[in-house]
Amino acid sequence: DGGITQSPKYLFRKEGQNVTLSCEQNLNHDAMYWYRQDPGQGLRLIYYSQIVNDFQKGDIAEGYSVSREKKESFPLTVTSAQKNPTAFYLCASSMGDRGVWSNQPQHFGDGTRLSIL
Amino acid sequence: GEDVEQSLFLSVREGDSSVINCTYTDSSSTYLYWYKQEPGAGLQLLTYIFSNMDMKQDQRLTVLLNKKDKHLSLRIADTQTGDSAIYFCAHAGGGGNKLTFGTGTQLKVEL
Repeated sequence: DGGITQSPKYLFRKEGQNVTLSCEQNLNHDAMYWYRQDPGQGLRLIYYSQIVNDFQKGDIAEGYSVSREKKESFPLTVTSAQKNPTAFYLCASSMGDRGVWSNQPQHFGDGTRLSIL
Repeated sequence: GEDVEQSLFLSVREGDSSVINCTYTDSSSTYLYWYKQEPGAGLQLLTYIFSNMDMKQDQRLTVLLNKKDKHLSLRIADTQTGDSAIYFCAHAGGGGNKLTFGTGTQLKVEL
């Protein structure tokens, strides 16, 4: 079945440590996204990528980094500069920019819950 | 800037209808979506509506769009305990495939 796989499901970070969250999709989608979800809040966009080897900052990119070396993969690194990393992280993908009149829903993985040790 | 608002909480009895509301400010919205999130899981796409439509029905789900008032609603008929979840509305604005999400409405279905 086609879908989006996020791993690990749970992750713990020590002080001063960088951690990387994995996101892989086999939907042949061009665009991929990373969101952060805090309790009682909506989704906030961290980074997104419209095409391989290109990505843009979202609304809360500080303390995070990404890469897009392959179409299928969009890993997110939470760096030690992110002082409040505890959250639920969601990865999504969509067909990509086909113009404003094209229906392009985003499809989501099951998320990674990151906590501080 | 873009803003999407939803009420935080809704409680209904099993078998009743649920209506979840959403208001947005971006008049260039093209497609509007409803997603469902169960505890500890990602978001599941439920349905969507194109901005030139007023209504869309899909089994127990009815989406109503009032474009003049920038108001979107999701009606769930015969609500079941399995419908308990957080529901997010989202819209695609003039910027292509980026979506703006509301804060989510927690639906609780009581027996």
